[in-house]
Amino acid sequence: EVQLVESGGGLVKPGGSLRLSCTASGYTFNDYSMNWIREAPGRGLEWVASITSESSYIYYADSVQGRFTISRDNAKNSLYLQMNNVRAEDSAMYYCTRDASGGGLGYWGQGALVTVSS
Amino acid sequence: EVVLTQSPGTLSLSPGESATLSCRASQRVSSSFLAWYQRKPGQAPRLLIYDASSRASGTPDRFTGRGSGTDFTLTISRLEPEDFAVYYCQQYGSSPYTFGQGTKVEIK
Repeated sequence: EVQLVESGGGLVKPGGSLRLSCTASGYTFNDYSMNWIREAPGRGLEWVASITSESSYIYYADSVQGRFTISRDNAKNSLYLQMNNVRAEDSAMYYCTRDASGGGLGYWGQGALVTVSS
Repeated sequence: EVVLTQSPGTLSLSPGESATLSCRASQRVSSSFLAWYQRKPGQAPRLLIYDASSRASGTPDRFTGRGSGTDFTLTISRLEPEDFAVYYCQQYGSSPYTFGQGTKVEIK
């Protein structure tokens, strides 16, 4: 069974930093691209960043480009999101997701809550 | 950036009725790389449809995705009580991989 477990969420001050982690199990981690998706209350789903299986290609939403960094460690079956210079509008539930075999985001973690507030 | 506009914002229907949800793209979605997700409170989103019309594993056949280019639809025939939720479309043909704003299907 595919499992994605996020950690590292919490309260952070504006301008501060936070690192989210996602540990994957139940499949061969380095066979799939991974993504971070976020959902703020009342704002729907927002794609944040994607990374291919061997980290060859990385993509970011304009809203986080230059502030967030997605990375992965295939030896540890782990995905990361380094969040720097955070803003109030970055407050959201952050989901680690795995691409489905055919297309789309087939597997989702339960989310890590990030709150940016002074 | 491909902007996805979903309509209507809310659909009020009774169990047994059919629902048609629209997702319109501001420019052509590459290779029909469009997915539909179901979102229920307290649960992670669930992939229903990928590549515009292919059902994901476990998706009931009452869910049908259609479309290409810039116009896509999700049809739910014979609504079941568990189908009342928010539905999102997402394109993954070109970065940024944008989502629509969602359509809520509520019980009338």
